[in-house]
Amino acid sequence: NAGVTQTPKFQVLKTGQSMTLQCAQDMNHNSMYWYRQDPGMGLRLIYYSASEGTTDKGEVPNGYNVSRLNKREFSLRLESAAPSQTSVYFCASSEWQGVTRSGEQYFGPGTRLTVT
Amino acid sequence: KNEVEQSPQNLTAQEGEFITINCSYSVGISALHWLQQHPGGGIVSLFMLSSGKKKHGRLIATINIQEKHSSLHITASHPRDSAVYICAAHLGYGGSQGNLIFGKGTKLSVKP
Repeated sequence: NAGVTQTPKFQVLKTGQSMTLQCAQDMNHNSMYWYRQDPGMGLRLIYYSASEGTTDKGEVPNGYNVSRLNKREFSLRLESAAPSQTSVYFCASSEWQGVTRSGEQYFGPGTRLTVT
Repeated sequence: KNEVEQSPQNLTAQEGEFITINCSYSVGISALHWLQQHPGGGIVSLFMLSSGKKKHGRLIATINIQEKHSSLHITASHPRDSAVYICAAHLGYGGSQGNLIFGKGTKLSVKP
């Protein structure tokens, strides 16, 4: 049981390049999330997918697109990378079935992205 | 203004001490999470609670809904507890799944 996996672990891009961060979970969770973590800012939600076939914007969606390919996989795409997107990116998944059910989030190991 | 505030920002303790980390939030929530981020960067969920108290080993989390406040306690602290502890509030009611707001974290260092 691998939990939540992310690829790649590290990436360096030049301004204007594009790339896709991959995320997969094997816990059969409905919900998946993409966060970025910057020094002094805390984690911020970029996009989330409540269930297969749906995606919604979070707090900082500009410059990103997502695809919920199937129940397992949720990818994050940077179409034209900018230095402001230098950050550590975390994917997470959870099972959320209302207030009385567990919605603990399980995080991937993170992707450290540098845009020069 | 961040809707989720943690205190202290940094905390240094001696091994064996009882530790308390506080989290206050300014809006209505449906649940509150406590997370641990290891020095290597990995993030682990410790607790999710919407009322009362939860305990796991030496860790205890409490929440007071009326006062909009939660605490994470570590009993008999150990150097391996050194990490950043993050509080996150799940905003709204009825399972609005995207509204998770994070505090900036408390960096804990436990000295032997």
